[in-house]
Amino acid sequence: KNQVEQSPQSLIILEGKNCTLQCNYTVSPFSNLRWYKQDTGRGPVSLTIMTFSENTKSNGRYTATLDADTKQSSLHITASQLSDSASYICVVAAGNNRKLIWGLGTSLAVNP
Amino acid sequence: NAGVTQTPKFRVLKTGQSMTLLCAQDMNHEYMYWYRQDPGMGLRLIHYSVGEGTTAKGEVPDGYNVSRLKKQNFLLGLESAAPSQTSVYFCASSDPTISYEQYFGPGTRLTVT
Repeated sequence: KNQVEQSPQSLIILEGKNCTLQCNYTVSPFSNLRWYKQDTGRGPVSLTIMTFSENTKSNGRYTATLDADTKQSSLHITASQLSDSASYICVVAAGNNRKLIWGLGTSLAVNP
Repeated sequence: NAGVTQTPKFRVLKTGQSMTLLCAQDMNHEYMYWYRQDPGMGLRLIHYSVGEGTTAKGEVPDGYNVSRLKKQNFLLGLESAAPSQTSVYFCASSDPTISYEQYFGPGTRLTVT
C-alpha cells in the first residue's frame, strides 16, 4: 500500500533556531517527492520538488534531502522565522505523476 | 496574475441542497484538480481534468460532479449535499510540460448541516 508518513506530528521551536522534519514513504513506482508549506486557512504552496536522481534541493532557508534507497526525505529549516509557522506536507508522486500520495503534515510553531 | 481563485470562500448548506464551487486560473494551465482536506487525513483527489472538455475521477468522486467547459475554469458540483461532505475544498492547476508543480487556490470551507 502506498503510504507517506511524517514525523514529528507537531513541533515547537524558538525563533532563530533550526529544525528538521522527516518523511518516510513506501510508494511504488516512485516519480518525485514534494514538500509543501500550508499556512492556516490557505492552500498548500510548493517548496521543493525532487526526482529520483536529486538528493538535495534548496529554496532559501529550506533544504530538502532525498535518500531514494532508504525511501526517506527530510526538510531542514535554517534560522527559523515567525512566518515559518505552518503545516509542512510531504507528498510523493507515483507512476505517471497524476497519483499523489499526501502525508498528514508536521505542524510547526515558531515562538518569539 | 491572480493565480488560482476559488468562489465562494465559505458556505453553509442544509442536507440535500445543491451547490457549485467555481475554480478559475489565469496561468493557461492544461491540468486542473479538485481536492478535499479533512482533519487527520491527507488531501484527497476528487476529480481532475487534463484539458478543456475532459474530466476524470480521482480517489473520492462519489457525490460530486465536475465540468471543464472552458480551459480556465473547473466547476465542482454537489447535487445533494450530505454532512460527510463537510470539508475544505481546494482547487489546483498545473502545466506538466513545464514542471510537476501544482498551484493551489485559497480553499472553500463548506459545512453541511
